[in-house]
Amino acid sequence: AQTVTQSQPEMSVQEAETVTLSCTYDTSESDYYLFWYKQPPSRQMILVIRQEAYKQQNATENRFSVNFQKAAKSFSLKISDSQLGDAAMYFCAYRSPTGANSKLTFGKGITLSVRP
Amino acid sequence: DAGVIQSPRHEVTEMGQEVTLRCKPISGHDYLFWYRQTMMRGLELLIYFNNNVPIDDSGMPEDRFSAKMPNASFSTLKIQPSEPRDSAVYFCASSFHPAHYGYTFGSGTRLTVV
Repeated sequence: AQTVTQSQPEMSVQEAETVTLSCTYDTSESDYYLFWYKQPPSRQMILVIRQEAYKQQNATENRFSVNFQKAAKSFSLKISDSQLGDAAMYFCAYRSPTGANSKLTFGKGITLSVRP
Repeated sequence: DAGVIQSPRHEVTEMGQEVTLRCKPISGHDYLFWYRQTMMRGLELLIYFNNNVPIDDSGMPEDRFSAKMPNASFSTLKIQPSEPRDSAVYFCASSFHPAHYGYTFGSGTRLTVV
């Protein structure tokens, strides 16, 4: 079974600075998808960014980018120019491509605070 | 599109009562998932459906929990009888196939059992 590990429960960043949130996963599959979700205090789960394992290029969405290291099974999220609205809980997630395992497996999450 | 719609947003009930949570997925999505979120256990998958058929219910904690999807636009999660340890936020999410689309989540139902 796939597992997702977020070892840092909390992180803090100064507004306008850059922060990196870590995530590792364990799988025997060669093809899969990785996601970062944001959960602000409103509790709505918001998809931030996705990465397809067969793509070597790291995904980027505006201020959000990932560092995907397939061999190391590492998938970190970098937030540039941090804003107060980035304060939230962030979840890393793994999904198999097809079949009975087509469900998201989440890490425990990391709480990010942004200092003004 | 209105997104995934869950109701109610908040529910407070007494121990022993029946609770029904409702979900309307995004039209055209063929996967539907029910998750439970607590501080202690994080996000747990309870059950998911593909084309209205339950695929994996191994996360349903016990027989007090049941879920149905009578058609492509509606699903329910029922707890009978409810217990204080069922207090949590329950999320419904839906997705297209294939898997790279990720999920769209509803806003969740906060359940408090007193």
